[in-house]
Order: sequence, then structure tokens, then C-alpha cells
Amino acid sequence: SQTIHQWPATLVQPVGSPLSLECTVEGTSNPNLYWYRQAAGRGLQLLFYSVGIGQISSEVPQNLSASRPQDRQFILSSKKLLLSDSGFYLCAWSAAGFSYNSPLHFGNGTRLTVT
Amino acid sequence: GDSVTQMEGPVTLSEEAFLTINCTYTATGYPSLFWYVQYPGEGLQLLLKATKADDKGSNKGFEATYRKETTSFHLEKGSVQVSDSAVYFCALSGYGGATNKLIFGTGTLLAVQP
Repeated sequence: SQTIHQWPATLVQPVGSPLSLECTVEGTSNPNLYWYRQAAGRGLQLLFYSVGIGQISSEVPQNLSASRPQDRQFILSSKKLLLSDSGFYLCAWSAAGFSYNSPLHFGNGTRLTVT
Repeated sequence: GDSVTQMEGPVTLSEEAFLTINCTYTATGYPSLFWYVQYPGEGLQLLLKATKADDKGSNKGFEATYRKETTSFHLEKGSVQVSDSAVYFCALSGYGGATNKLIFGTGTLLAVQP
């Protein structure tokens, strides 16, 4: 069966510090991968998605970047965190290929607090 | 552009009460519709989905019907339990391409009291 791992679960970082959040998927090949952010009291905002190694699409211009160095690894980074980067970050995967019916499968999220 | 609108929460109910969480959408084309649930401190889990008009998705006693004429996908459950307390998100499959990018509503917090 497929599983998705996301870490760390919680993170407190000072403003201006770097960020690296990692997500890995097991049990499937060539998944589509996604990073979402859930700000307090708001819905989910799609940040990045990837259909393959090295292929990253950004949905919203911001202080963050994403990379996919391996087929089932997705990394969210920042060189200098801002207070507004605080939130709950969720990694997700869906089956390869294009389908309106494919659900997303989410990790347990990382709660980031920038102080 | 495509969007999802959910009823504001929180929704507070007593155990065994009937639940309705409203969801309406705006979309070009024929999206699939989803309900996800997020338990405290966790990620989202798919609860149910419907892929075409008049389809009814159901799972764990929850159900929702894809109504194209009213562009709605309301979530219902006949008798809620304390364990149903969570945030519920309505979503639609977004614009095309090689991925399934979901557009989410803002979520509705459900609190069920014993």
C-alpha cells in the first residue's frame, strides 16, 4: 500500500532563518506531488505541484521554493523565513497521469511557527 | 475562475443530531467533487467523492450528491457521533493539465457534544 511521510511534525524558526521540509512517498511510482499551506482560519492554498523529477510548477509567487530531486521525494525550502510563512504545510500525492477523478492523499502536515 | 464556497463554522451539534454542511461551487467544465476531513493535528483524509452529475458519494454514514443544477455538493449525516468532530473541506478538481489540482473551500469545523 502507498504511504506518505512528512517531517518534521512541528517546527519553530526565527525570522530570516532557512527552511527545509521533506516529504516522501512509498508504494507508488511517478506520483504527482503537491505542497499546500493552510493558514490559521483559512482554507488550503496550493503552493507547488510536480509531475516528475525536476519539474516544479509554482502556483503563488512567494518566499518559498520546491524541489523534487528523486521520484518520490518533494522538498519545500526557503532561504529566509518571514513571519507570514507561519502555517500548516501539507504534502500530498496523486496517481500519475491526468485524471479529474484521482483523489489527493495527504501527509500529516508540518506546523511551522516563525517567531 | 473555479471556486468553492462552504458554510461558515463552527457547527456545534449534540450526538445523534442530523448534520448538513453546505457546499456550492463555480466551475467551467465538469469537475469532480470531493469532501475531505481533517482530524485535530492531522492531515486531510478523503471522505467521499462524486465524479458526475447526480452521483452520490458515501462513506462512514456521510453522503453528498453532486447537483449540477444548483452547483452544490452538500455533506449530510443522519446521526453524528463525538468522533465526527473535525474540520470538513469541500473541494473540486481544478484546471486541467497533467495533474489533479484540487481547489478547496475554507473548511467547516464540526464540534459534536455528548
